[in-house]
Amino acid sequence: DTEVTQTPKHLVMGMTNKKSLKCEQHMGHRAMYWYKQKAKKPPELMFVYSYEKLSINESVPSRFSPECPNSSLLNLHLHALQPEDSALYLCASSPEQDRGGYGYTFGSGTRLTVV
Amino acid sequence: DQQVKQNSPSLSVQEGRISILNCDYTNSMFDYFLWYKKYPAEGPTFLISISSIKDKNEDGRFTVFLNKSAKHLSLHIVPSQPGDSAVYFCAASNAGNMLTFGGGTRLMVKP
Repeated sequence: DTEVTQTPKHLVMGMTNKKSLKCEQHMGHRAMYWYKQKAKKPPELMFVYSYEKLSINESVPSRFSPECPNSSLLNLHLHALQPEDSALYLCASSPEQDRGGYGYTFGSGTRLTVV
Repeated sequence: DQQVKQNSPSLSVQEGRISILNCDYTNSMFDYFLWYKKYPAEGPTFLISISSIKDKNEDGRFTVFLNKSAKHLSLHIVPSQPGDSAVYFCAASNAGNMLTFGGGTRLMVKP
């Protein structure tokens, strides 16, 4: 299995809702990442997990809450989002976080719309 | 301050010809460079990479060239095919394996 699976593919939520994005990989990768991509912009890093521990938080607002229940799963819990948070949320994994040169394997993303 | 830049937002090429996508970077600590291809509504797909100790890496129709002194890299696709039409992102990393992406170039290959 060489894929990163993200669910749901599309999500529409109100500003008072609570929802979660899920990401799963079975490649034995020990680093997992959340990226946010707005239209016509490059992916922007949000969080990095290394060996199931939060390694990097790129000053992301607390309305985004990551969770890594085990080495194969990565969640992103959403609460009280704003319309400007609408974007494509990408999950990625790599064999290790602390060694350069490993390409990431990306999931297909969740298209989030906040209304 | 953008550390990785792709100055051409779009490129149009005839099928069978060469596509050349360019990327510039400012951070001399970057030691790996990667190209990703992205179709609409899909995540980026890894294409090819190059270490800073090399100046060329080839994989089938794709070749990446690195000019460290100019802090410039390019992706050559020969021959270009309509299926190559996508957005191409240049990315750079250092020992921490944190990828920094360029803004992307939309390649359109016309039949």
